[in-house]
Amino acid sequence: SAVISQKPSRDICQRGTSLTIQCQVDSQVTMMFWYRQQPGQSLTLIATANQGSEATYESGFVIDKFPISRPNLTFSTLTVSNMSPEDSSIYLCSVVGTTTDTQYFGPGTRLTVL
Amino acid sequence: QKEVEQNSGPLSVPEGAIASLNCTYSDRGSQSFFWYRQYSGKSPELIMFIYSNGDKEDGRFTAQLNKASQYVSLLIRDSQPSDSATYLCAVRDGGSQGNLIFGKGTKLSVKP
Repeated sequence: SAVISQKPSRDICQRGTSLTIQCQVDSQVTMMFWYRQQPGQSLTLIATANQGSEATYESGFVIDKFPISRPNLTFSTLTVSNMSPEDSSIYLCSVVGTTTDTQYFGPGTRLTVL
Repeated sequence: QKEVEQNSGPLSVPEGAIASLNCTYSDRGSQSFFWYRQYSGKSPELIMFIYSNGDKEDGRFTAQLNKASQYVSLLIRDSQPSDSATYLCAVRDGGSQGNLIFGKGTKLSVKP
């Protein structure tokens, strides 16, 4: 399975600021996703990060709020913009490998917005 | 709206018993089914995947799939306290994007 790292692992931010989360994979992957998991809830897909093109966002998520980059097959960033306390959540990077459709998750970034 | 349904639990079983976790899904076009285990404060960990009708065994875990009934289950034999976690059922969307659709998870508690 792919080894996925995320930075930062956690952060506490002020309302109105932005945070960029990085996801690095140790091997090339076909698909990269960003999920959010709010306290006590299941996972919600934010968007699919597409290499070299704009991300594909799920209903309720927009590029201005959650800009995503994927410059190559092993790296992606998610920015949470103009944060409010409602953005406090765990943000998870997830990948699908090149040979199977099994999907793995990174360790997550725990974000608290004050 | 494609959905994956799980009983939220908590499901409590004694140590050594069989834990049975169930999941139904709405999209008949789905072909790939996954079980993840999530410990509190940790990210989901893939423990089983199944593509074909029938049973698939891996150690103490058995995944069962019935596409006609749109039902997938996970059995954990000889349950241990370390199995206490939330178990997430996920189904890959049969559409072009192929996203995973998650259930809300079943919280399992194994009592010593």
